[in-house]
Amino acid sequence: NAGVIQTPRHKVTGKGQEATLWCEPISGHSAVFWYRQTIVQGLEFLTYFRNQAPIDDSGMPKERFSAQMPNQSHSTLKIQSTQPQDSAVYLCASSLDTGGRQDTQYFGPGTRLLVL
Amino acid sequence: LAKTTQPPSMEAYEGQEVNVSCSHTNIATSEYIYWYRQVPHQGPQFIIQGYKDYVVNEVASLFISADRKLSTLSLPWVSLRDAAVYYCIVTDSTSGGNYKPTFGKGTSLVVHP
Repeated sequence: NAGVIQTPRHKVTGKGQEATLWCEPISGHSAVFWYRQTIVQGLEFLTYFRNQAPIDDSGMPKERFSAQMPNQSHSTLKIQSTQPQDSAVYLCASSLDTGGRQDTQYFGPGTRLLVL
Repeated sequence: LAKTTQPPSMEAYEGQEVNVSCSHTNIATSEYIYWYRQVPHQGPQFIIQGYKDYVVNEVASLFISADRKLSTLSLPWVSLRDAAVYYCIVTDSTSGGNYKPTFGKGTSLVVHP
């Protein structure tokens, strides 16, 4: 079990460019979560999917951010027209969702995004 | 959703027991309490979870007050490897519930040799 895989681990973009971050959840996990972490704001929830369906994206900035989960094996977080304030560590997590009590989340190592 | 309040930082020496408190005064009956910790350059790692009373595993123990408004994570015999940021979160874990965990800024534990 390789755990949650996130690629790339580091990404540097210029202001106005697009950034796509990838997450491969643990096999068999049906829930995928995206978070953003900065020193100022701490760890913030962005969005989550259950069985590939978007359930709650209330933490996502309304403009420029989008997330998808086209299949069970990966999810993407896309940031259009990146701005310096988007610089952060973006964390992906997955968990089982057995229809009963939610299981614990397993986090990936994160993608460190730097927008110059 | 309930919010949590934790001390921003704590310090301890190796071998001491450390108790990290978390206040969740508005916790709902459907919400569980989870503790995670995060070391630099890694994502948070699950430690323990509970609903009420007392829970223990091989890593830590968790005491939850009778009214569930306060929980305390206890780490016995801390070592330098326990230096991390500890997060307490409460969230509705029921399937179909409003599962939106709020991590906040956590408690930074510094361990001295």
